[in-house]
Amino acid sequence: DGGITQSPKYLFRKEGQNVTLSCEQNLNHDAMYWYRQDPGQGLRLIYYSQIVNDFQKGDIAEGYSVSREKKESFPLTVTSAQKNPTAFYLCASSITNNEQFFGPGTRLTVL
Amino acid sequence: LAKTTQPISMDSYEGQEVNITCSHNNIATNDYITWYQQFPSQGPRFIIQGYKTKVTNEVASLFIPADRKSSTLSLPRVSLSDTAVYYCLVGANKAAGNKLTFGGGTRVLVKP
Repeated sequence: DGGITQSPKYLFRKEGQNVTLSCEQNLNHDAMYWYRQDPGQGLRLIYYSQIVNDFQKGDIAEGYSVSREKKESFPLTVTSAQKNPTAFYLCASSITNNEQFFGPGTRLTVL
Repeated sequence: LAKTTQPISMDSYEGQEVNITCSHNNIATNDYITWYQQFPSQGPRFIIQGYKTKVTNEVASLFIPADRKSSTLSLPRVSLSDTAVYYCLVGANKAAGNKLTFGGGTRVLVKP
């Protein structure tokens, strides 16, 4: 089955720790995206990548880092510099100017 | 990226038609208009996309006037399972990196 997967579904982190969220797609899409969603709010773009080995900051990139070493994978690291990381994180992928396909999300909680 | 304005919430009843209007006064020439649906604790799901006039698929219709400064998503004969948040987005063109800006969306509640 083709699709986009995120793991883990739930993640708990202690303050001061870095944590990496996984995003994998087998849709052969060139572009991938990371969003953050807070309760009752819309999605905000963290980082996006249009092609392997290239990525750009979105609207709220501070405290986050990404890599795009493979077309299928776009992991997001939430660093200790992110002051309020508790949120629902969504990964998406797309081809050219078509629709974005979203993964099931990872809910991160900082203890 | 063009900013969008849509109602915060709407209530409806099963079997009725729901129309959600979105304003996007500064839409660019190469921008598309896209609507997504999101259920709680899930990723958004694409509903429909259009550039001008009318687009219809098995789920919804999208009406876009000639000036493209607004658009209306029409959901025919809604059911309880259509209760969700609906987002109107403008952009999705390759030159802008396919960036999408999600606003707060419209919370649609379908009542029995």
